[in-house]
Amino acid sequence: DSGVTQTPKHLITATGQRVTLRCSPRSGDLSVYWYQQSLDQGLQFLIQYYNGEERAKGNILERFSAQQFPDLHSELNLSSLELGDSALYFCASSTQGPTETQYFGPGTRLLVL
Amino acid sequence: AQSVAQPEDQVNVAEGNPLTVKCTYSVSGNPYLFWYVQYPNRGLQFLLKYITGDNLVKGSYGFEAEFNKSQTSFHLKKPSALVSDSALYFCAVRDVKHSSASKIIFGSGTRLSIRP
Repeated sequence: DSGVTQTPKHLITATGQRVTLRCSPRSGDLSVYWYQQSLDQGLQFLIQYYNGEERAKGNILERFSAQQFPDLHSELNLSSLELGDSALYFCASSTQGPTETQYFGPGTRLLVL
Repeated sequence: AQSVAQPEDQVNVAEGNPLTVKCTYSVSGNPYLFWYVQYPNRGLQFLLKYITGDNLVKGSYGFEAEFNKSQTSFHLKKPSALVSDSALYFCAVRDVKHSSASKIIFGSGTRLSIRP
């Protein structure tokens, strides 16, 4: 158990809908990262938050957004969902510094029908 | 730009034999390299990392990795494979923008299959 929790585990929704994925980082970790794992794209970095502020952005679509709250939990919002958004979404957390290691949550499996 | 390559989609090894999962990298600056493992229907688990120091890094579950700067490689190894090692393995490099901004760039993954 990495100490990173994600809810829900599974999500089934329809095209055009909006969903929110939630992540709670390990105790003491200030950074939260979101990744998407799909069969054709592999593991892709989406976005990073550090202590409530966006710090790094990857291949995140404009339909997707995220935020990190004062209690350090984070939410990833996916809107106007398309079939191709079906994937595993992982959250990771870490401390900062040169020896930083990212610890991953169990993921949320999203299926868009 | 930082990148990692895992040249093998699949590696098959008999139980008890040594295993190697290959990884090469391309970085500007000092490389921060990682190996993660993903079991079916599970998240990624951290195995080991190279930041600096000894070229041979020891990690979880008996795995180790050898950092080779001249060959820009960071191969994952284990002296004696177990059936339970069967999983998807990812090599990764940390791309540091500044002290509080970084991301991990993952390789495409190598599926390790250990036969009894």
